Amino acid sequence: GQQLNQSPQSMFIQEGEDVSMNCTSSSIFNTWLWYKQDPGEGPVLLIALYKAGELTSNGRLTAQFGITRKDSFLNISASIPSDVGIYFCAVPVNRDDKIIFGKGTRLHILP
Amino acid sequence: DTAVSQTPKYLVTQMGNDKSIKCEQNLGHDTMYWYKQDSKKFLKIMFSYNNKELIINETVPNRFSPKSPDKAHLNLHINSLELGDSAVYFCASSPHWDGELFFGEGSRLTVL
Repeated sequence: GQQLNQSPQSMFIQEGEDVSMNCTSSSIFNTWLWYKQDPGEGPVLLIALYKAGELTSNGRLTAQFGITRKDSFLNISASIPSDVGIYFCAVPVNRDDKIIFGKGTRLHILP
Repeated sequence: DTAVSQTPKYLVTQMGNDKSIKCEQNLGHDTMYWYKQDSKKFLKIMFSYNNKELIINETVPNRFSPKSPDKAHLNLHINSLELGDSAVYFCASSPHWDGELFFGEGSRLTVL
């Protein structure tokens, strides 16, 4: 079945560092989504990308929809403690209301 | 007002029991979902309903039965609970198909 490969699985960084993570697939998608899950909460949508090549920002977050439609990237600039959490990429599949998620990138900020 | 609310938030029960988790959304969305998040934090879709009609049943065992009395509610009933059912179950709703999901806070089920 369709699968999203998300990397890295975990990141340990210092506060203030920039962060990059990505999501790839062997299938083409028309929408890429990035969600964040805080501990004990449900995931929350950060950025939605609807067009190949699109670059979209939301504060310190920037995401890109890959030209091949098979990948997407999320960057966080100048990380702060509240950035800690799990970041998931997700895609809708086949217009049948099915949204599948990558396995997540766990972001940790070292004290 | 909480947009997507689930009850209970925590559920601890014995193997073989039957339990239900309730979900309500006050966003006016037509589509609702159940997702399961395992101990590795992988999120897997279980079911989706659109305006009370089952759209997706993602090869979930028959012991799991969703019920949608109206488009604002989607409940999950689980029969004969097994150890492997222990997980966090998330309800979500969406105004359209392209992926903007609004999640509840999750219901953590522990089967002993």
